[in-house]
Amino acid sequence: GNSVTQMEGPVTLSEEAFLTINCTYTATGYPSLFWYVQYPGEGLQLLLKATKADDKGSNKGFEATYRKETTSFHLEKGSVQVSDSAVYFCALSSNQGGKLIFGQGTELSVKP
Amino acid sequence: EPEVTQTPSHQVTQMGQEVILRCVPISNHLYFYWYRQILGQKVEFLVSFYNNEISEKSEIFDDQFSVERPDGSNFTLKIRSTKLEDSAMYFCASSETSRDGYTFGSGTRLTVV
Repeated sequence: GNSVTQMEGPVTLSEEAFLTINCTYTATGYPSLFWYVQYPGEGLQLLLKATKADDKGSNKGFEATYRKETTSFHLEKGSVQVSDSAVYFCALSSNQGGKLIFGQGTELSVKP
Repeated sequence: EPEVTQTPSHQVTQMGQEVILRCVPISNHLYFYWYRQILGQKVEFLVSFYNNEISEKSEIFDDQFSVERPDGSNFTLKIRSTKLEDSAMYFCASSETSRDGYTFGSGTRLTVV
């Protein structure tokens, strides 16, 4: 069945450091891929998405590229801020039904 | 920006009691979903709803669970007889198409005691 695997957290970085959170997936067909962010005490917010191979999603300085050959959708940001501290979830949606399958989440903590 | 609204934000209930979690999806959205997140664990799919019927449900969504869209705006999740293990954050979501990213509500924290 379809699944998503993320690198384990917590990840602790200093402000302005480079961020990578790895995400790989297993899916049949051609899924859409997403990154969601959950700030402390809040719900899930869509951060970025990509709907086909080689698409790059980007938002708020974050980027992720849909790599079909490596079944990956790694999240990157060149310079993190304290305000980026949150839990990040990678997810996929198959081309039928639309339900989201989430990875386990990666907690990011950015220190000043 | 349009929002998905969930009420209440926190509900405490006794084991065996019925609870209804309420959601108001974004008005032009056609697909509706419930997910749950047990503390510290993965976000899990419960059910999807389209065209006034369930389109898919997970193994978690057993006979104790039901969903309803009683009018043009609300989307509810009912748990008939709550168990301790139902304690979780429940998220409602809606989307315009089945391939878009969803808009999630801020969640209802259900605590069963």
